[in-house]
Amino acid sequence: EVRLVESGGAVILPGGSLRLSCRASGFTFDDSAMHWVRQPPGKGLEWLSLINWDGAMTSYADSVKGRFTISRDNSKASLYLQMDSLRTEDTAFYFCARDLGPGGGSTLDSWGQGTLVTVSS
Amino acid sequence: QSVLTQPPSASGTPGQRVTISCSGSNSNIGSSTVNWYQRLPGTAPKLLILRNNQRPSGVPDRFSGSKSGASASLAISGLQSEDEADYYCATWDDSLHGVVFGGGTKLTVL
Repeated sequence: EVRLVESGGAVILPGGSLRLSCRASGFTFDDSAMHWVRQPPGKGLEWLSLINWDGAMTSYADSVKGRFTISRDNSKASLYLQMDSLRTEDTAFYFCARDLGPGGGSTLDSWGQGTLVTVSS
Repeated sequence: QSVLTQPPSASGTPGQRVTISCSGSNSNIGSSTVNWYQRLPGTAPKLLILRNNQRPSGVPDRFSGSKSGASASLAISGLQSEDEADYYCATWDDSLHGVVFGGGTKLTVL
């Protein structure tokens, strides 16, 4: 069974940094590209970033480009999101999701339960 | 403002057929396949339709998808109370070099 478990969510001050993790199990992690998606309270899903199977290719939404960094450690079957210069509008549930293929696309076939990040003074 | 446009809400009575539209442009829906996601209250999003019209294993055939040009739609026939959820379309955008989601449609079963 595919399982994705996010961790690292917290309450953080504006301007602060946070690192989210996503531990994968139940599949061959380095067969899949991976994504981060978020959902602010009361709003819709927003795609943030993707990383291909070996980490050589990454892509970001304009809203987080230059502030967030996606990475992965295939030896640990783990995905990460380093979030810097956090803003109040970054408050959201953050989900990691598996891509159907190794290169990345828009077919996210498994999702974690999410971790809550609250940016507030 | 989402790149893909969906109606914010839709509704139907049990047994009815409802459709949810998703409108984009040549750089996204017009050049890529569309996926649909269902988010039931309190649960993680779930892939409902992939590659315009394919159902993952376990998704009932009451759910179907279609695409024409730069628009796509999700149809749900034989509406059931457990279908009450938020539905999102998504695709790849060549101009933005990333995934784009619709704003989501909240489906209410009356």
